[in-house]
Amino acid sequence: EAGVVQSPRYKIIEKKQPVAFWCNPISGHNTLYWYRQNLGQGPELLIRYENEEAVDDSQLPKDRFSAERLKGVDSTLKIQPAELGDSAVYLCASSLVGREQDEQYFGPGTRLTVT
Amino acid sequence: DAKTTQPNSMESNEEEPVHLPCNHSTISGTDYIHWYRQLPSQGPEYVIHGLTSNVNNRMASLAIAEDRKSSTLILHRATLRDAAVYYCILRDLQVSYGKLTFGQGTILTVHP
Repeated sequence: EAGVVQSPRYKIIEKKQPVAFWCNPISGHNTLYWYRQNLGQGPELLIRYENEEAVDDSQLPKDRFSAERLKGVDSTLKIQPAELGDSAVYLCASSLVGREQDEQYFGPGTRLTVT
Repeated sequence: DAKTTQPNSMESNEEEPVHLPCNHSTISGTDYIHWYRQLPSQGPEYVIHGLTSNVNNRMASLAIAEDRKSSTLILHRATLRDAAVYYCILRDLQVSYGKLTFGQGTILTVHP
């Protein structure tokens, strides 16, 4: 079974430039998550989708971050414009909510460096 | 979410058992205890979870104290591949449905 796929794996951009990350969840998983992980810290949830609906985006910095999940499958997370403090690993995860204590399956992440 | 406390780092030798502790003194009756681990340059992966009783799976065992204020993740025979950051997470589905709140975790080093 294929896992969560993310691209690109690495991205280096200059500040004020836009950047986008793509995620393809595990087939059949209805819930998708974007997390951000700063160096030496645990991941922090940015946004959670159930199918196409963003059900928790309270931690998403909406002035510069946006996300979409078209047709309830793939998702894109965008930053525009990027700031130096956005350098981090952006992780996508998916799960099949509805089962007791759904496990979240994570992709390998996209490491963003803003210079 | 209730908070967990873990040691910053632990070391083990290959093929020896490893006991990773987690304190959660403010745990509520509806909090499940989850463990995830993160190998270098990878995303976190699920290890095990439990509520009150001890749990075993192919990866590890979870021992939960009778008062539920602490728990221990047990790796029965550590391998070099078990070197990772281990996160102990409390989840109350009634409060934080679908959300994992990670702390800093325990960095496990396994020596050959």
